[in-house]
Amino acid sequence: EVQLVESGGGLVKPGGSLRLSCAASGFTFNTYSMNWVRQAPGKGLEWVSSISSSSGYIYYADSVKGRFTISRDNAKNSLYLQMNSLRAEDTAVYYCARGPGVTTYWFDPWGQGTLVTVSS
Amino acid sequence: DIQMTQSPSSLSASVGDRVTITCRASQGISNYLAWYQQKPGKVPKLLIYAASTLQSGVPSRFSGSGSGTDFTLTISSLQPEDVATYYCQKYNSAPFTFGPGTKVDIK
Repeated sequence: EVQLVESGGGLVKPGGSLRLSCAASGFTFNTYSMNWVRQAPGKGLEWVSSISSSSGYIYYADSVKGRFTISRDNAKNSLYLQMNSLRAEDTAVYYCARGPGVTTYWFDPWGQGTLVTVSS
Repeated sequence: DIQMTQSPSSLSASVGDRVTITCRASQGISNYLAWYQQKPGKVPKLLIYAASTLQSGVPSRFSGSGSGTDFTLTISSLQPEDVATYYCQKYNSAPFTFGPGTKVDIK
């Protein structure tokens, strides 16, 4: 069974940093693209960042470019999101989601999400 | 960047009704479009990819169509368990933008 388990969320002050992790199991991690999608409270889905299977292609939403860094460790079956210079508007549930292949970017399945709250 | 819009933003229909949701891209995206369902308090779920390909396990009452800039998601016979918000998403190139969502409930 494919499983994606996010961790690392929490309360952080504006300007602070946080590192999210996503532990993957049940599939050959190094053959799939991986993604982060967020959802602010009561709002819609917002794509954040994507990384191809071998990290050769990396993409960011304009809203996080220069502040967030996506990475993966295929030996550890893990995906990461380093978030710096956090703002109140980054408050959201952050979902990890798998792509369907090496460099394709629809999302299935999704993890349960981890809540990031940016507040003083 | 290509913008994604959806209409209507919400709808209320009776059980058994045919429901159609429209998604529009500001520029052509061929068939690089996916649809997701998010039930209240739950994780989003992929319904359709490549504009019209039903994901495994998704009930056949869901269907998708369209290409270029105009796409539709149709529920042929609305069921109580279909109460959810539905999102389209483009994936032809980054940014992989979602539409704003369409909330569906039962009249």
